[in-house]
Amino acid sequence: DAMVIQNPRYQVTQFGKPVTLSCSQTLNHNVMYWYQQKSSQAPKLLFHYYDKDFNNEADTPDNFQSRRPNTSFCFLDIRSPGLGDAAMYLCATSWTRHNEQFFGPGTRLTVL
Amino acid sequence: AQTVTQSQPEMSVQEAETVTLSCTYDTSESDYYLFWYKQPPSRQMILVIRQEAYKQQNATENRFSVNFQKAAKSFSLKISDSQLGDAAMYFCALSGNTPLVFGKGTRLSVIA
Repeated sequence: DAMVIQNPRYQVTQFGKPVTLSCSQTLNHNVMYWYQQKSSQAPKLLFHYYDKDFNNEADTPDNFQSRRPNTSFCFLDIRSPGLGDAAMYLCATSWTRHNEQFFGPGTRLTVL
Repeated sequence: AQTVTQSQPEMSVQEAETVTLSCTYDTSESDYYLFWYKQPPSRQMILVIRQEAYKQQNATENRFSVNFQKAAKSFSLKISDSQLGDAAMYFCALSGNTPLVFGKGTRLSVIA
């Protein structure tokens, strides 16, 4: 089945220790998104790629970076995680910005 | 700027009954799409239903239907014959030329 895969599902890191989260898709969608979701809140868009075109949200901290080496993969790098970065990180894909987004299962990040 | 408002933080419904979740939105675009997403506890975000703004007919997916009032900028979700598996966070979302804008969500409880 075509899908959005996120690895790892759970990630524990130490305060200030860089961490990378991975997302892959078999849908061949043009757009890939990274969201941060805290408990009982709506997902907050961090950035998205339309093909190779990177779009950063204005309020996304510099501590968050992303890479999309090819159509299928997208990575979220957190350079120096703080306690406030503990959250669920969701990856999603869509054909265009208009279309519905398909979400992965998420990676739950814990910062000790 | 696009906004989405869900005025009901929590709702409950008896099993087999009908419940309606409210959503209002604001956009200056003429071409946009509206969505309802469901996020069960600790589980993946999935699309429930989608509505194109240019379509007058309300979308329906099995037990889920919407009441789309374009002039009033209202987009409510009706769940008929509620089941225990419908218990989840429901997010209303809007997309136009920018990626999805989510409402804050409505937590739906289903009482057996």
